[in-house]
Amino acid sequence: AQSVTQLGSHVSVSEGALVLLRCNYSSSVPPYLFWYVQYPNQGLQLLLKYTSAATLVKGINGFEAEFKKSETSFHLTKPSAHMSDAAEYFCAVSVAGTALIFGKGTTLSVSS
Amino acid sequence: EPEVTQTPSHQVTQMGQEVILRCVPISNHLYFYWYRQILGQKVEFLVSFYNNEISEKSEIFDDQFSVERPDGSNFTLKIRSTKLEDSAMYFCASSDQGILGSSEAFFGQGTRLTVV
Repeated sequence: AQSVTQLGSHVSVSEGALVLLRCNYSSSVPPYLFWYVQYPNQGLQLLLKYTSAATLVKGINGFEAEFKKSETSFHLTKPSAHMSDAAEYFCAVSVAGTALIFGKGTTLSVSS
Repeated sequence: EPEVTQTPSHQVTQMGQEVILRCVPISNHLYFYWYRQILGQKVEFLVSFYNNEISEKSEIFDDQFSVERPDGSNFTLKIRSTKLEDSAMYFCASSDQGILGSSEAFFGQGTRLTVV
């Protein structure tokens, strides 16, 4: 069965600093990988997804993620954090048309 | 922009009572899902629904749970006899092609269920 592990339940950065949220996956077959963001009192919004095309995936709001098969990783990055990026971020995996399996989430705090 | 809507936003119920959580998926979507998130824990898959039947379910989705698409627009999750541990945020989602990697799942804002 597939799974995802998000390292770090809470990440704090300063405005303008690099954002790095870590996600490692486990899957016996090629996975599809997703990052979702949840702002306070809102639903989950797709940031980006990897579907076996380019390994570097660009998403909304300046975020990107790189699929590294050798490291079984799909880390999310943003070069310069903004206050509005403060939210909960979820990595998710699916294989062969199955439902999304989510990680535990990482809360991103951004200070001025 | 089309969105998934869930009602109510917050439901408080007594242990042992039945609850129905309601969702209106995006109108041209064919695949529907329920997830839940217990406070402080990860988002967990409950069930997926396609062509008027369950296509996949997790071990959480036991006989206490059921789903229904009573008409062309609503998708409901029923919990027959709620337990304290059912307290969670319940998310509905829909997609137009299933989670095949080429299609995005759109999530509602969630219903917070509190069982007392």
